[in-house]
Amino acid sequence: GQNIDQPTEMTATEGAIVQINCTYQTSGFNGLFWYQQHAGEAPTFLSYNVLDGLEEKGRFSSFLSRSKGYSYLLLKELQMKDSASYLCAVRAPGGGNKLTFGTGTQLKVEL
Amino acid sequence: DADVTQTPRNRITKTGKRIMLECSQTKGHDRMYWYRQDPGLGLRLIYYSFDVKDINKGEISDGYSVSRQAQAKFSLSLESAIPNQTALYFCATSDGGSDEASFGSGTRLTVV
Repeated sequence: GQNIDQPTEMTATEGAIVQINCTYQTSGFNGLFWYQQHAGEAPTFLSYNVLDGLEEKGRFSSFLSRSKGYSYLLLKELQMKDSASYLCAVRAPGGGNKLTFGTGTQLKVEL
Repeated sequence: DADVTQTPRNRITKTGKRIMLECSQTKGHDRMYWYRQDPGLGLRLIYYSFDVKDINKGEISDGYSVSRQAQAKFSLSLESAIPNQTALYFCATSDGGSDEASFGSGTRLTVV
């Protein structure tokens, strides 16, 4: 079966750093994705990890530990526009982008 | 212009009616997907297609059918809509060499 857990909501302050965790238990694994979704809009790709370690891309970093079934998304220098839902998704083996999504973490950035 | 276009953006339909949601893309991707999103449940895969002759069921295909009319077009049909199919529907595309999927802007469907 597929199970992906992430916190439902988080609140952080503008300019701060926030870490959004994701744990997964899936029958197969071929990479973990983070997407950002503003209310009523399409998800947009943020990051991808298939090997253990940290991937950095500007203000956003993502970490993966396959042995622990764990990932996190780190957002630095938070801005008000970062208020959105952050979706963790695991890709199934076998090609393509068959993704199993977590329910998303709603991040609110406050002044 | 959007790379992945969904029509309609919003639709209200009655229980029992047949409805088709359309998706077209200009990205040249061979792989296309339909997801639905419900509050508290996240995105769930309905159907996916790796090329024109390839159609596969996803996690929640019951009550839905799809048609891949061309590489660029992938439509989702609800043969007899029911209220629990009220949701936000997203089409997505990817290609064999890419790690990211591109999503359309979504279709908000309400079945009354």
